[in-house]
Amino acid sequence: DAGVIQSPRHEVTEMGQEVTLRCKPISGHDYLFWYRQTMMRGLELLIYFNNNVPIDDSGMPEDRFSAKMPNASFSTLKIQPSEPRDSAVYFCASSLDQWWGDGSGNTIYFGEGSWLTVV
Amino acid sequence: AQSVSQHNHHVILSEAASLELGCNYSYGGTVNLFWYVQYPGQHLQLLLKYFSGDPLVKGIKGFEAEFIKSKFSFNLRKPSVQWSDTAEYFCAVGPANQAGTALIFGKGTTLSVSS
Repeated sequence: DAGVIQSPRHEVTEMGQEVTLRCKPISGHDYLFWYRQTMMRGLELLIYFNNNVPIDDSGMPEDRFSAKMPNASFSTLKIQPSEPRDSAVYFCASSLDQWWGDGSGNTIYFGEGSWLTVV
Repeated sequence: AQSVSQHNHHVILSEAASLELGCNYSYGGTVNLFWYVQYPGQHLQLLLKYFSGDPLVKGIKGFEAEFIKSKFSFNLRKPSVQWSDTAEYFCAVGPANQAGTALIFGKGTTLSVSS
């Protein structure tokens, strides 16, 4: 399997522009997560989906952020309008159902991240 | 709510020195615990995990971690670090046997190893 695929890998955009980050989870995984990594806050959970349905979006910082998962193989994280403080690395991750408790060895797998710079 | 604290923000060691990175979590129930590593320019990779059983778990590259339930801790150790261990290390926790949850990560510890 190719793993979790994210695009773009790097993006530099001007303040006020719309940014769309994309993610393709590992095939067969039921859970998809969006995390944001910054120096100040470390790795924060923004939102996650189960079977394409958003389960918890309490980590989404503002209404400028939105995420969708129209099907099992694709998700987007959109920032509109973007601001310099949104500059961060955005990670997408996916996992099989029941990763947490059955000891089967399943875990959460991360993509390589989208490095966003808003100037 | 769950939370994870990593007390060391940046650790600097010489090669062959021993390593211990602290991780404490806050959660009232049974948890699963993880350490992830992020090498420069790369994505997060699982280093080791604890689900149940022996509280001393061994991971890849000679790392190990000990779960001490009474202290709510899951410290990462390595007896002798190498230059290639330079990376950022994240501790994470998730409720055990509970559907509809996600991993919560600590802020990370940057390890710099000099040769």
